[in-house]
Amino acid sequence: AQSVTQPDIHITVSEGASLELRCNYSYGATPYLFWYVQSPGQGLQLLLKYFSGDTLVQGIKGFEAEFKRSQSSFNLRKPSVHWSDAAEYFCAVGSNDYKLSFGAGTTVTVRA
Amino acid sequence: DGGITQSPKYLFRKEGQNVTLSCEQNLNHDAMYWYRQDPGQGLRLIYYSQIVNDFQKGDIAEGYSVSREKKESFPLTVTSAQKNPTAFYLCASTTSGTFYGYTFGSGTRLTVV
Repeated sequence: AQSVTQPDIHITVSEGASLELRCNYSYGATPYLFWYVQSPGQGLQLLLKYFSGDTLVQGIKGFEAEFKRSQSSFNLRKPSVHWSDAAEYFCAVGSNDYKLSFGAGTTVTVRA
Repeated sequence: DGGITQSPKYLFRKEGQNVTLSCEQNLNHDAMYWYRQDPGQGLRLIYYSQIVNDFQKGDIAEGYSVSREKKESFPLTVTSAQKNPTAFYLCASTTSGTFYGYTFGSGTRLTVV
């Protein structure tokens, strides 16, 4: 069975500082990996995805993530956060039967 | 524009009543999913359907029921058997071709009083 761990429940970062959100997954084969963002009371929006190929993937809103097979990780990064990046972020792992398993999420607070 | 519509956005029901949440998509996606979201627990899969007239239980199906009579629609009924139904419910869909992840609706917040 596949699973995802997001070790950080809550992260506070200053506006303009860099951000890194951690994600570790468990899956027997090559995984499909995703990062989603959720604003309060809203649905989830896809930030980026990894299927194969280049292990550094670029997404929307200036986010990127790096797949490291040896560490079973798919960490999300942004070089300079904006106040609008305050939200909850979910990492997900998918299997060939199109089922996604989500982590518990990391809430990001941006301070001025 | 194509997308997933969940309605209503807010729903209040008395304890012991069944309630149905609507999910409609015009993306021509084959598979549809219902998730429940509670604070600090991420998203948990309730039911999913990969084809019309067929659906499977997810991890927390007890107290819920679904139907898939049309490709576009996947309503979720929260029955009186669900012990703690107050939550945020999210519907999602995906195509059966290359897996690009899910498209999500904007959610329904159900409060049972």
